[in-house]
Amino acid sequence: GQQLNQSPQSMFIQEGEDVSMNCTSSSIFNTWLWYKQDPGEGPVLLIALYKAGELTSNGRLTAQFGITRKDSFLNISASIPSDVGIYFCAGPNNNDMRFGAGTRLTVKP
Amino acid sequence: NAGVTQTPKFRILKIGQSMTLQCTQDMNHNYMYWYRQDPGMGLKLIYYSVGAGITDKGEVPNGYNVSRSTTEDFPLRLELAAPSQTSVYFCASSYIGDTQYFGPGTRLTVL
Repeated sequence: GQQLNQSPQSMFIQEGEDVSMNCTSSSIFNTWLWYKQDPGEGPVLLIALYKAGELTSNGRLTAQFGITRKDSFLNISASIPSDVGIYFCAGPNNNDMRFGAGTRLTVKP
Repeated sequence: NAGVTQTPKFRILKIGQSMTLQCTQDMNHNYMYWYRQDPGMGLKLIYYSVGAGITDKGEVPNGYNVSRSTTEDFPLRLELAAPSQTSVYFCASSYIGDTQYFGPGTRLTVL
């Protein structure tokens, strides 16, 4: 089945720094989703991308749907301590949904 | 709306025991899903349903069963619990199969 590869696996940054993470696939996706999971909670949707080349923002978060439809990236600007968590990319595969393994973000105050 | 609710929050089972994880959503979503998340890993789809009376296997269905008799409920059944089923289980729902809304999870340990 389609696999999503996320990188980096983990990041340790200082508060105020910008963060960039990405997700790639060997297959085409028609939708890219970015979720955040806080410890002990379920994932929460951050941004949904529906069109190749689309650039969408949600506050300090910006995500782009790659032109080839095989990749997406998520940027977080001016990180704050509450950005700590695991960020997952995901893509629908027919009625299925595939998730990347996640990028674990730690923000040092 | 309560969204997606899951019970129980935590459970410890002995090998060979059975249990049902409950999931309910009040958003009138057609699609519902069950995932498991192992430590440090992403989510793996166990089963999904596109509507009442319809269920399909996901990526890792072995050892589990589901039913969907109503739009709101999508219980997950473990018949013979094994240590490999120790995981956190998440239920999710969506309206048309893209954006999913997740429950808070059930943490299951099989000893």
